[in-house]
Amino acid sequence: GNSVTQMEGPVTLSEEAFLTINCTYTATGYPSLFWYVQYPGEGLQLLLKATKADDKGSNKGFEATYRKETTSFHLEKGSVQVSDSAVYFCALSEDSGAGSYQLTFGKGTKLSVIP
Amino acid sequence: DSGVTQTPKHLITATGQRVTLRCSPRSGDLSVYWYQQSLDQGLQFLIQYYNGEERAKGNILERFSAQQFPDLHSELNLSSLELGDSALYFCASSNREDGETQYFGPGTRLLVL
Repeated sequence: GNSVTQMEGPVTLSEEAFLTINCTYTATGYPSLFWYVQYPGEGLQLLLKATKADDKGSNKGFEATYRKETTSFHLEKGSVQVSDSAVYFCALSEDSGAGSYQLTFGKGTKLSVIP
Repeated sequence: DSGVTQTPKHLITATGQRVTLRCSPRSGDLSVYWYQQSLDQGLQFLIQYYNGEERAKGNILERFSAQQFPDLHSELNLSSLELGDSALYFCASSNREDGETQYFGPGTRLLVL
């Protein structure tokens, strides 16, 4: 079955530091890949996505590139801010053939950014 | 704000009881997905409905059921509740044009005592 593995947290960075959160996946076909972010006490927000190999998703300074050869979708940001403190989830979806795109999530990585 | 609404925000109940969680998808979205987020299991897919019909099932217990109504809102029914059912329950919706991108509601936090 499908699975997503992301680096264990928590990750603590100083403001303006470079961020990388690793994510690798296992899938039977050609999934789409997503990063979701969950701020304290809130639901999940879509951060970015990529639907095919070599696609780069980007949003709010965050980027991730769909690497089929390494089955990876690492999240990066050049300069983090305190407001980026949240839990980040890597996820994949794959059409089961019945028009269902259920998401398979990693366990989440908690990021804390200190001033 | 994703446009997906969920009620109630919090729910506290006792073991053995039954509760109903409600979700209204974004305007025009036909698909509703339910997920459970718990500390030990993480985020898990429970069930999906599309335009009133069940489309896919995940790790949903037999004590749990769901439905989607003609106005497209959905309800998740949890019965014979156990302590281990305490979790955050999310619904998400997607549209026909981009079925794979899901937008999540704020969740319902269920505490079973």
